[in-house]
Amino acid sequence: DARVTQTPRHKVTEMGQEVTMRCQPILGHNTVFWYRQTMMQGLELLAYFRNRAPLDDSGMPKDRFSAEMPDATLATLKIQPSEPRDSAVYFCASGLQGNYGYTFGSGTRLTVV
Amino acid sequence: GEDVEQSLFLSVREGDSSVINCTYTDSSSTYLYWYKQEPGAGLQLLTYIFSNMDMKQDQRLTVLLNKKDKHLSLRIADTQTGDSAIYFCAESVSAGKSTFGDGTTLTVKP
Repeated sequence: DARVTQTPRHKVTEMGQEVTMRCQPILGHNTVFWYRQTMMQGLELLAYFRNRAPLDDSGMPKDRFSAEMPDATLATLKIQPSEPRDSAVYFCASGLQGNYGYTFGSGTRLTVV
Repeated sequence: GEDVEQSLFLSVREGDSSVINCTYTDSSSTYLYWYKQEPGAGLQLLTYIFSNMDMKQDQRLTVLLNKKDKHLSLRIADTQTGDSAIYFCAESVSAGKSTFGDGTTLTVKP
């Protein structure tokens, strides 16, 4: 089965440090999403790309978060500087045009202390 | 903006049917989805339905769509303990991003 691969699976870092999360979407999928999941806020859309171009990043705190797709096989989400309130599970998902649903990765569990 | 609402919890006995309900506000929704999330895992797409359909059946899963009332349901027949998970309803308009509900935690008691 094709899958979305996210690394790292877990990350513990100190406040103020830079965090980079990576995602390898399914080959052939042209739409990539970054979501954040917390108990309090549920699933929040941070950003998404189509054909590597950013379409919507309105859910992302611009001052500290950035998302890029340097090529079709890699999406990155960076937080600099990280804060304790960024602690969450970050999911990457990919799909074809956004139709027929997405395939989610297993997530990166981020803890900022 | 778009909104998707679900009840937060559902508890059933093993072998019973489970019905998880969802309402959405965007009348132009084209696709409606059900995802399942098990502990420590990402969301897994279970099934989807186009807005021009009323019903879709896939083995133990039955999706019903009432477009007039903007109501979507997922019925799981013969619910098993392995069905215990969080179930998310989602909708999207054409090829756009999906809006997710907050999820319904299904607990299956033996």
